[in-house]
Amino acid sequence: AQKITQTQPGMFVQEKEAVTLDCTYDTSDPSYGLFWYKQPSSGEMIFLIYQGSYDQQNATEGRYSLNFQKARKSANLVISASQLGDSAMYFCAMREGPNYGQNFVFGPGTRLSVLP
Amino acid sequence: DTAVSQTPKYLVTQMGNDKSIKCEQNLGHDTMYWYKQDSKKFLKIMFSYNNKELIINETVPNRFSPKSPDKAHLNLHINSLELGDSAVYFCASSPEGTYQETQYFGPGTRLLVL
Repeated sequence: AQKITQTQPGMFVQEKEAVTLDCTYDTSDPSYGLFWYKQPSSGEMIFLIYQGSYDQQNATEGRYSLNFQKARKSANLVISASQLGDSAMYFCAMREGPNYGQNFVFGPGTRLSVLP
Repeated sequence: DTAVSQTPKYLVTQMGNDKSIKCEQNLGHDTMYWYKQDSKKFLKIMFSYNNKELIINETVPNRFSPKSPDKAHLNLHINSLELGDSAVYFCASSPEGTYQETQYFGPGTRLLVL
């Protein structure tokens, strides 16, 4: 069964607008971390933001914020004031805990295109 | 001062050959990983390894083998390359720890098998 679901294969957003990329996850472990990565066309994987399962507040990192709804098992990425450089693939990932060595599970990704 | 580096960046080879991809991290991390990203961009973990344990994804053919000369290196050796092995291979590392630790990726190696 898919542990990470990203239902939007592709998204378009106008420059300077906000966009939400969806991510839902499946786990029975009370301890887990959720991560978002960006992969631009150049190919590298860039870590953006992290949310822990016990965190009371939504994570924020600059223009990135994570809309964490634990009961719904969703961890949507919100990008505010989109820029052309935000055009990329975005991957949601989860790591279950608490022990070391727990592997990351990635979703299929969402391709975001920012329009001028 | 690249954190996670991979060589080569591009690798074009014939079916049936044996090849290796090298990975080095200078972050002092204890755990390293290999991922395969297919043409649809799906990322699949192949191995995770620290100085205590090698965890192999059971779907990975045994033609693929990780080799770790030391904590900072995890190389990927592939025997008898097949057309379906064409993909981007990413190395990554993370601190040993709990679910709170993120991982850092290398730039990827684009493998094309002809």
